[in-house]
Amino acid sequence: EVQLVQSGAEVKKPGESLKISCKGSGYSFTSYWIGWVRQMPGKGLEWMGIIYPGDSDTRYSPSFQGQVTISADKSISTAYLQWSSLKASDTAMYYCARLQYSSSSAVDYWGQGTLVTVSS
Amino acid sequence: EIVLTQSPGTLSLSPGERATLSCRASQSVSSSYLAWYQQKPGQAPRLLIYGASSRATGIPDRFSGSGSGTDFTLTISRLEPEDFAVYYCQQYGSSPGVTFGPGTKVDIK
Repeated sequence: EVQLVQSGAEVKKPGESLKISCKGSGYSFTSYWIGWVRQMPGKGLEWMGIIYPGDSDTRYSPSFQGQVTISADKSISTAYLQWSSLKASDTAMYYCARLQYSSSSAVDYWGQGTLVTVSS
Repeated sequence: EIVLTQSPGTLSLSPGERATLSCRASQSVSSSYLAWYQQKPGQAPRLLIYGASSRATGIPDRFSGSGSGTDFTLTISRLEPEDFAVYYCQQYGSSPGVTFGPGTKVDIK
Protein backbone atom coordinates (compact mmCIF):
# COMPACT_ATOMS: atom_id res chain seq x y z
CA GLU A 1 0.00 0.00 0.00
CA VAL A 2 1.39 3.38 -1.01
CA GLN A 3 1.68 5.76 1.94
CA LEU A 4 3.09 9.21 2.48
CA VAL A 5 3.45 9.95 6.18
CA GLN A 6 4.25 13.52 7.18
CA SER A 7 5.81 14.87 10.34
CA GLY A 8 3.65 16.40 13.05
CA ALA A 9 2.26 19.87 13.57
CA GLU A 10 4.69 22.67 14.35
CA VAL A 11 4.34 25.96 16.22
CA LYS A 12 7.15 28.42 15.52
CA LYS A 13 8.01 32.08 15.98
CA PRO A 14 8.70 34.49 13.13
CA GLY A 15 12.34 34.31 12.06
CA GLU A 16 12.83 30.69 13.16
CA SER A 17 13.84 27.91 10.79
CA LEU A 18 11.87 24.75 10.12
CA LYS A 19 12.16 21.50 8.19
CA ILE A 20 9.15 19.21 7.77
CA SER A 21 9.28 15.72 6.35
CA CYS A 22 7.34 13.26 4.21
CA LYS A 23 8.24 9.55 4.31
CA GLY A 24 7.15 7.37 1.42
CA SER A 25 6.51 3.64 1.63
CA GLY A 26 4.89 0.87 -0.38
CA TYR A 27 6.50 1.89 -3.67
CA SER A 28 9.87 2.70 -5.23
CA PHE A 29 10.55 6.11 -3.66
CA THR A 30 13.28 6.98 -6.15
CA SER A 31 11.05 6.44 -9.19
CA TYR A 32 8.31 9.00 -8.58
CA TRP A 33 8.31 12.78 -8.30
CA ILE A 34 7.19 14.22 -4.96
CA GLY A 35 5.48 17.61 -4.79
CA TRP A 36 4.59 20.02 -2.00
CA VAL A 37 1.27 21.90 -1.81
CA ARG A 38 0.32 24.76 0.51
CA GLN A 39 -3.18 25.42 1.79
CA MET A 40 -3.57 28.56 3.86
CA PRO A 41 -6.40 28.63 6.41
CA GLY A 42 -9.76 28.54 4.65
CA LYS A 43 -8.13 28.90 1.23
CA GLY A 44 -7.36 26.83 -1.86
CA LEU A 45 -4.42 24.73 -2.97
CA GLU A 46 -1.10 26.19 -4.14
CA TRP A 47 1.64 24.23 -5.91
CA MET A 48 5.07 24.89 -4.40
CA GLY A 49 7.48 22.64 -6.26
CA ILE A 50 8.62 19.11 -6.95
CA ILE A 51 11.62 16.86 -6.49
CA TYR A 52 12.71 13.61 -8.10
CA PRO A 53 14.34 11.63 -5.28
CA GLY A 54 16.26 9.47 -7.73
CA ASP A 55 18.60 12.31 -8.69
CA SER A 56 17.33 15.24 -6.56
CA ASP A 57 16.22 17.19 -9.65
CA THR A 58 14.16 19.99 -8.07
CA ARG A 59 11.80 22.50 -9.67
CA TYR A 60 10.06 25.36 -7.92
CA SER A 61 6.87 27.18 -8.74
CA PRO A 62 7.81 30.81 -9.50
CA SER A 63 5.81 32.00 -6.47
CA PHE A 64 7.90 29.89 -4.09
CA GLN A 65 11.35 30.09 -5.69
CA GLY A 66 13.77 31.42 -3.08
CA GLN A 67 11.18 31.18 -0.30
CA VAL A 68 11.56 27.49 0.58
CA THR A 69 13.94 24.62 -0.07
CA ILE A 70 12.82 21.17 -1.19
CA SER A 71 15.15 18.23 -0.69
CA ALA A 72 15.11 14.46 -0.35
CA ASP A 73 17.13 11.68 1.26
CA LYS A 74 16.57 8.59 -0.84
CA SER A 75 18.37 6.37 1.66
CA ILE A 76 15.46 6.83 4.07
CA SER A 77 12.71 7.47 1.46
CA THR A 78 11.99 10.92 2.85
CA ALA A 79 11.35 14.28 1.24
CA TYR A 80 11.67 17.61 3.03
CA LEU A 81 10.37 21.15 2.88
CA GLN A 82 12.30 23.77 4.77
CA TRP A 83 12.31 27.44 5.63
CA SER A 84 15.29 29.45 6.85
CA SER A 85 13.27 32.30 8.32
CA LEU A 86 9.55 31.81 8.87
CA LYS A 87 6.96 34.54 8.53
CA ALA A 88 3.45 34.71 9.92
CA SER A 89 2.20 34.35 6.35
CA ASP A 90 3.76 30.85 6.22
CA THR A 91 0.99 29.66 8.54
CA ALA A 92 -0.74 26.93 6.56
CA MET A 93 -1.31 23.24 6.05
CA TYR A 94 1.40 21.69 3.89
CA TYR A 95 0.80 18.50 1.95
CA CYS A 96 3.32 16.28 0.23
CA ALA A 97 2.06 14.47 -2.83
CA ARG A 98 3.23 11.74 -5.21
CA LEU A 99 2.96 12.45 -8.92
CA GLN A 100 1.51 9.66 -11.03
CA TYR A 101 4.04 9.20 -13.81
CA SER A 102 6.31 12.13 -14.51
CA SER A 103 7.01 15.74 -13.62
CA SER A 104 3.87 16.64 -15.57
CA SER A 105 1.38 14.37 -13.87
CA ALA A 106 -1.57 14.55 -11.55
CA VAL A 107 -1.17 13.63 -7.90
CA ASP A 108 -2.31 10.12 -7.10
CA TYR A 109 -1.32 9.96 -3.41
CA TRP A 110 -1.27 12.62 -0.73
CA GLY A 111 0.25 12.84 2.72
CA GLN A 112 -2.01 13.62 5.65
CA GLY A 113 -0.70 17.18 5.89
CA THR A 114 1.51 19.08 8.35
CA LEU A 115 0.04 22.15 10.01
CA VAL A 116 2.59 24.91 10.48
CA THR A 117 1.64 27.81 12.74
CA VAL A 118 3.91 30.85 12.89
CA SER A 119 3.05 33.28 15.63
CA SER A 120 4.88 35.55 18.04
CA GLU B 1 1.19 31.14 -15.74
CA ILE B 2 -2.11 29.51 -16.64
CA VAL B 3 -4.95 30.86 -14.49
CA LEU B 4 -7.89 28.55 -13.80
CA THR B 5 -11.35 29.88 -13.05
CA GLN B 6 -14.00 27.62 -11.54
CA SER B 7 -17.73 28.20 -11.57
CA PRO B 8 -19.96 28.38 -9.75
CA GLY B 9 -18.24 29.21 -6.48
CA THR B 10 -20.91 27.29 -4.58
CA LEU B 11 -23.41 24.77 -5.88
CA SER B 12 -26.37 23.93 -3.64
CA LEU B 13 -28.03 20.67 -4.60
CA SER B 14 -29.94 17.76 -3.10
CA PRO B 15 -28.81 14.13 -2.96
CA GLY B 16 -29.70 12.37 -6.18
CA GLU B 17 -29.36 15.50 -8.31
CA ARG B 18 -26.80 16.03 -11.06
CA ALA B 19 -23.86 18.37 -10.46
CA THR B 20 -22.02 20.14 -13.27
CA LEU B 21 -18.83 21.98 -12.34
CA SER B 22 -16.87 24.15 -14.76
CA CYS B 23 -13.15 24.92 -15.01
CA ARG B 24 -11.91 27.46 -17.54
CA ALA B 25 -8.23 28.10 -18.33
CA SER B 26 -6.68 31.42 -19.37
CA GLN B 27 -4.84 29.59 -22.17
CA SER B 28 -4.98 26.16 -23.70
CA VAL B 29 -4.03 23.29 -21.39
CA SER B 30 -1.56 21.10 -23.24
CA SER B 31 -2.45 17.48 -23.93
CA SER B 32 -5.47 17.73 -21.63
CA TYR B 33 -3.24 17.80 -18.56
CA LEU B 34 -6.22 18.63 -16.42
CA ALA B 35 -7.18 16.92 -13.15
CA TRP B 36 -10.03 17.17 -10.66
CA TYR B 37 -9.72 16.62 -6.90
CA GLN B 38 -12.24 16.34 -4.11
CA GLN B 39 -11.45 17.69 -0.65
CA LYS B 40 -13.52 17.17 2.48
CA PRO B 41 -13.02 19.21 5.68
CA GLY B 42 -9.95 18.13 7.60
CA GLN B 43 -8.79 15.78 4.85
CA ALA B 44 -6.19 15.80 2.12
CA PRO B 45 -7.45 16.15 -1.44
CA ARG B 46 -8.31 13.00 -3.41
CA LEU B 47 -7.71 12.53 -7.12
CA LEU B 48 -10.92 11.95 -9.08
CA ILE B 49 -10.06 12.59 -12.74
CA TYR B 50 -6.79 12.99 -14.66
CA GLY B 51 -6.08 13.62 -18.31
CA ALA B 52 -9.36 15.55 -18.37
CA SER B 53 -11.51 12.40 -18.58
CA SER B 54 -9.80 9.36 -17.02
CA ARG B 55 -11.16 8.22 -13.65
CA ALA B 56 -8.58 7.51 -10.98
CA THR B 57 -8.42 4.11 -9.33
CA GLY B 58 -11.44 3.37 -7.15
CA ILE B 59 -13.47 6.39 -8.23
CA PRO B 60 -17.18 5.58 -8.83
CA ASP B 61 -18.48 5.94 -12.36
CA ARG B 62 -20.95 8.64 -11.31
CA PHE B 63 -17.93 10.97 -11.62
CA SER B 64 -16.97 11.92 -15.15
CA GLY B 65 -14.74 14.54 -16.73
CA SER B 66 -14.80 16.11 -20.15
CA GLY B 67 -13.41 18.99 -22.14
CA SER B 68 -10.26 20.14 -23.88
CA GLY B 69 -8.34 23.30 -24.67
CA THR B 70 -9.60 25.89 -22.22
CA ASP B 71 -12.96 24.50 -21.09
CA PHE B 72 -13.39 21.51 -18.82
CA THR B 73 -16.29 20.01 -16.89
CA LEU B 74 -16.67 17.64 -13.96
CA THR B 75 -20.06 15.96 -13.78
CA ILE B 76 -21.44 13.99 -10.84
CA SER B 77 -24.41 12.14 -12.29
CA ARG B 78 -26.30 11.51 -9.04
CA LEU B 79 -25.06 13.11 -5.84
CA GLU B 80 -24.49 10.80 -2.91
CA PRO B 81 -24.30 12.18 0.66
CA GLU B 82 -20.52 11.65 0.69
CA ASP B 83 -20.05 13.80 -2.43
CA PHE B 84 -20.70 17.10 -0.67
CA ALA B 85 -17.25 18.65 -0.60
CA VAL B 86 -14.98 21.16 -2.34
CA TYR B 87 -13.76 20.31 -5.84
CA TYR B 88 -10.57 21.70 -7.39
CA CYS B 89 -9.34 21.54 -10.94
CA GLN B 90 -5.60 21.52 -11.62
CA GLN B 91 -3.56 21.96 -14.78
CA TYR B 92 -0.22 20.18 -14.74
CA GLY B 93 1.02 20.58 -18.30
CA SER B 94 3.33 23.48 -17.54
CA SER B 95 5.45 22.07 -14.71
CA PRO B 96 6.67 23.65 -12.50
CA GLY B 97 4.03 26.28 -13.19
CA VAL B 98 1.28 23.93 -12.05
CA THR B 99 -1.86 25.76 -10.94
CA PHE B 100 -5.13 24.97 -9.20
CA GLY B 101 -8.50 26.59 -9.60
CA PRO B 102 -10.07 28.35 -6.59
CA GLY B 103 -12.51 25.50 -6.01
CA THR B 104 -16.25 24.87 -6.17
CA LYS B 105 -18.07 23.97 -2.99
CA VAL B 106 -20.94 21.52 -3.44
CA ASP B 107 -23.23 21.77 -0.46
CA ILE B 108 -26.56 20.32 0.56
CA LYS B 109 -29.61 22.35 -0.44
